Amino acid sequence: GENVEQHPSTLSVQEGDSAVIKCTYSDSASNYFPWYKQELGKGPQLIIDIRSNVGEKKDQRIAVTLNKTAKHFSLHITETQPEDSAVYFCAAYGKLTFGQGTILTVHP
Amino acid sequence: DTEVTQTPKHLVMGMTNKKSLKCEQHMGHRAMYWYKQKAKKPPELMFVYSYEKLSINESVPSRFSPECPNSSLLNLHLHALQPEDSALYLCASSRVGVKAFFGQGTRLTVV
Repeated sequence: GENVEQHPSTLSVQEGDSAVIKCTYSDSASNYFPWYKQELGKGPQLIIDIRSNVGEKKDQRIAVTLNKTAKHFSLHITETQPEDSAVYFCAAYGKLTFGQGTILTVHP
Repeated sequence: DTEVTQTPKHLVMGMTNKKSLKCEQHMGHRAMYWYKQKAKKPPELMFVYSYEKLSINESVPSRFSPECPNSSLLNLHLHALQPEDSALYLCASSRVGVKAFFGQGTRLTVV
């Protein structure tokens, strides 16, 4: 089955810095890669996604890049703010398998 | 409207009880999912329904029984659960293959 690896498990940055979270996937048939933000006590919220026929996608301060040959994709958050603090999950579709999550902490 | 509604928000049940979790969406999505999430862990896929038919069952114990009565509703029937089944149960829906939206989950405690 699909295996999704996510790094780092924790990430601490200062407000205004950039944050990068990386994921790799195993199933070359996976064709859709969403990223979710989960705040304490809430369900995961879709923040950005990318299809396998696209290399990069940007939405304001958030961008995602995909290298299909290497089977890895990354989330980039620029100008981080304290409200960006949460757990971030990558996923791969196949069967919508999640990575292990990254706890992002943005210090004011 | 990207809302997936789950009820109840919290549930405490004994090991001999029978209870059901409910999920509803009105986005016209034809894929619906049940996930289980333990603390500090990612969501784990349990079941997927596609066009109201069960398409994926991730070897989930039979004490969990899913049901999709129509394209807007998804239920998870619970019977004879164990304390280790305590977790956040998440429902999601999507057009098949893309953009899954999650509900806020049901926090289940088995005593």
